[in-house]
Formats: sequence, structure tokens, C-alpha cells
Amino acid sequence: GNSVTQMEGPVTLSEEAFLTINCTYTATGYPSLFWYVQYPGEGLQLLLKATKADDKGSNKGFEATYRKETTSFHLEKGSVQVSDSAVYFCALSDRGGSNYKLTFGKGTLLTVNP
Amino acid sequence: NAGVTQTPKFQVLKTGQSMTLQCAQDMNHNSMYWYRQDPGMGLRLIYYSASEGTTDKGEVPNGYNVSRLNKREFSLRLESAAPSQTSVYFCASSQAVGDNQPQHFGDGTRLSIL
Repeated sequence: GNSVTQMEGPVTLSEEAFLTINCTYTATGYPSLFWYVQYPGEGLQLLLKATKADDKGSNKGFEATYRKETTSFHLEKGSVQVSDSAVYFCALSDRGGSNYKLTFGKGTLLTVNP
Repeated sequence: NAGVTQTPKFQVLKTGQSMTLQCAQDMNHNSMYWYRQDPGMGLRLIYYSASEGTTDKGEVPNGYNVSRLNKREFSLRLESAAPSQTSVYFCASSQAVGDNQPQHFGDGTRLSIL
């Protein structure tokens, strides 16, 4: 079946540091890939997505590139801010039978200190 | 624009009690989902509704039932609550069934079962 593995947290960085959160996946077909962010006390929000190999998703300074050869979709940001503190989820979509399903990783807690 | 609205936000139940979690979306989306979020487990799909009039089991459906009341509303019912169902429950919606369709999440219902 499908699965998503992302780096264990928590990750603690100082403001303006470089961020990488690793994500690898297993899927039977050619899934679309997503990063979601969850701020404290809130639901998940879509951060970025990529729908085919070599696509780069980007939003709010975050980037991730769909790498089919390494089955990876690592999240990066060049200079993090305190406001980026949140839980980040990598996810993939694939068709199970005739219906759409989303599979999430376990989440990575990021804390950015001033 | 409210997006996805969940009620209640918090609830405490005793073992054996029943309750219904409500979810409504105002984005005219066709597909709706119920997830539970537990520490270290990420999000797991309970049930989903690809379109009005249809519902299907997800990864962890035991102990739950759902109703797609109309296009806007999708409720989750616990018939006889158990402590193992203590969790944060998220409702989500998407435009359609499709592998590049992002999901939009509510802010969650925090449910404790004593």
C-alpha cells in the first residue's frame, strides 16, 4: 500500500536558519504530493503541491521538488521565521480503486526561536 | 468565507455515551472526509464521501458511522464512545475526487472520553 515517511521531530532552529524536512514515499502509481502545515490549535492548511515528476511546488518561501527517481519530496526554506513554528505534514494522493485517498506522514514539529 | 466549520470544538464524554460531530462546508465542494489525529500517528482517514449520496470506509472506520446529509454537511457519529476514541477529529472537503485536488480542513473537534 501507499505510505509516507518523514523525518522525526521535533526540529528546533534559530531564526534565519535553513530548513530541510525530509519526506519519502511509497506508491503504486504516480501520485500527487503535498505539504500541509498545522499551526497550534488550527486545522491543516495546504502549503504547496506538485503533481508530476520534477515539478517544484513553492509558497511563502517554502519549496519542494517531486523527485521520482528517489521517491522524495523534501521541504526547504532558506530563512525561517518564528511565525513558521508549526507541524508540517507530507502527504500523497493516489487512487484506491475508483476513489481518491490522501495518505499522510506522521508530521514534523518545527520550533523557530528568535 | 468560513470554509469548513466543525462543531463542537471541544467535548468530554463518558464511556458508552453517543454523540454526533457536525461538519459543514461553504465552498460547494463535492467530496468530504473525516480524519482522526493522534500523537505520533499523523492523520488517519475514518470515512469519506466522494459525492452527495455516497460514503465509503477509510483506514479506521470501526466504532463510527457517517451521514452525508446534503452537499454541504457530513456528520460523524460515535454510537457508544470508548476511551480509545479520544482524539482530535478533523473534517475536510475537496472540489472533487481527483489525485491533484487539495483538501481544505476545519479547525478540529477535541474529544475526550472518560
